[in-house]
Amino acid sequence: DTGVSQDPRHKITKRGQNVTFRCDPISEHNRLYWYRQTLGQGPEFLTYFQNEAQLEKSRLLSDRFSAERPKGSFSTLEIQRTEQGDSAMYLCASNPGPTGEKLFFGSGTQLSVL
Amino acid sequence: AQKITQTQPGMFVQEKEAVTLDCTYDTSDPSYGLFWYKQPSSGEMIFLIYQGSYDQQNATEGRYSLNFQKARKSANLVISASQLGDSAMYFCAMRERTGGFKTIFGAGTRLFVKA
Repeated sequence: DTGVSQDPRHKITKRGQNVTFRCDPISEHNRLYWYRQTLGQGPEFLTYFQNEAQLEKSRLLSDRFSAERPKGSFSTLEIQRTEQGDSAMYLCASNPGPTGEKLFFGSGTQLSVL
Repeated sequence: AQKITQTQPGMFVQEKEAVTLDCTYDTSDPSYGLFWYKQPSSGEMIFLIYQGSYDQQNATEGRYSLNFQKARKSANLVISASQLGDSAMYFCAMRERTGGFKTIFGAGTRLFVKA
């Protein structure tokens, strides 16, 4: 069990560019979650998957954000036409199923949009 | 509407003393879970303690205990015998059945432990 891994750890991009982040959950964890966290705030829910099905996407998420989990294993989060307001830490978490007692978090991807 | 409210942006505590971090929540779902996570300056989120809505007793994990008052919808975290390493952000979180069991977080409380 290697834990939840996220790649890259840091990403610096220019406004208007597209970026993609990857998350590898703990193997056999059915649920995968994406959160966004800005400095001094709590993690804000973005979206989550049950296996390969995306069950919910936050209404706060613009159409520039898309997430996939094609084979029910790893997941990608893409942000198109990045804006400075997208600068944040993007956290991925997983757990075994709906009633799993806790989330297992990755170390996050820190995005800076210049 | 705010689902999780943490009213203390920052708290100070003397080393070796106990401290209570406040959390209130809002739900109409009879089945829910409450969590506390710690986030040190290094950034990783560390699970501390869990309380289910049907649990009769308050949860305890070592120096951490959760003061669960269901009627008041509060789930305060008590840290006993504070240590310097307890200095961190602390987040209260909730998972509801009606929310598809996704977990939502409060804004957090930053705890400073003084030597």
